[in-house]
Amino acid sequence: EADIYQTPRYLVIGTGKKITLECSQTMGHDKMYWYQQDPGMELHLIHYSYGVNSTEKGDLSSESTVSRIRTEHFPLTLESARPSHTSQYLCASSDLDTVGGYEQYFGPGTRLTVT
Amino acid sequence: KNQVEQSPQSLIILEGKNCTLQCNYTVSPFSNLRWYKQDTGRGPVSLTIMTFSENTKSNGRYTATLDADTKQSSLHITASQLSDSASYICVVSDRGSTLGRLYFGRGTQLTVWP
Repeated sequence: EADIYQTPRYLVIGTGKKITLECSQTMGHDKMYWYQQDPGMELHLIHYSYGVNSTEKGDLSSESTVSRIRTEHFPLTLESARPSHTSQYLCASSDLDTVGGYEQYFGPGTRLTVT
Repeated sequence: KNQVEQSPQSLIILEGKNCTLQCNYTVSPFSNLRWYKQDTGRGPVSLTIMTFSENTKSNGRYTATLDADTKQSSLHITASQLSDSASYICVVSDRGSTLGRLYFGRGTQLTVWP
């Protein structure tokens, strides 16, 4: 079982508030990812990191920002939450798996609701 | 455009029955294909992973097949259990990506009734 954690699991917050979603992994993985997933829809990559001090935007445009100061920690921040940010946010990390690709391990997710 | 399409969108079966879920993809160049199980409110968990040279892979009651020529995969679940109720997601990785970026299908929502 993967050792990747996300907090909070559920968050209901008012418009305009600043929020930070936490993600931590204890597997020593260099690569970490943030995905956004709406009900019944596919996961969309919004941020990723190759390692400490490396962050990149993903395929889906997002108003959130991320930081990677420590290998095990990859928090996501929304400076001013809006109802359009309501979604599930999934964090993942990866290593090099046995078939030459990258096995991604997912956290349990944070369900964010902005009222 | 790299895409992953799954069918059916949703499926209801009775406990103990078998079922097969389908996945078609256009991702190129192809590296590997994975099936994930995602319980409601949880993150996806990997079930199987196959490269282009593998055409079948089993994990307990789950058996995945891959036809790299037609770019199709299936996930067969045998003797379904109530705990199999979940979304099953087909995920394809391209060979050109050092990031390990994955292309996700929308999933098939499986419900197993007693």
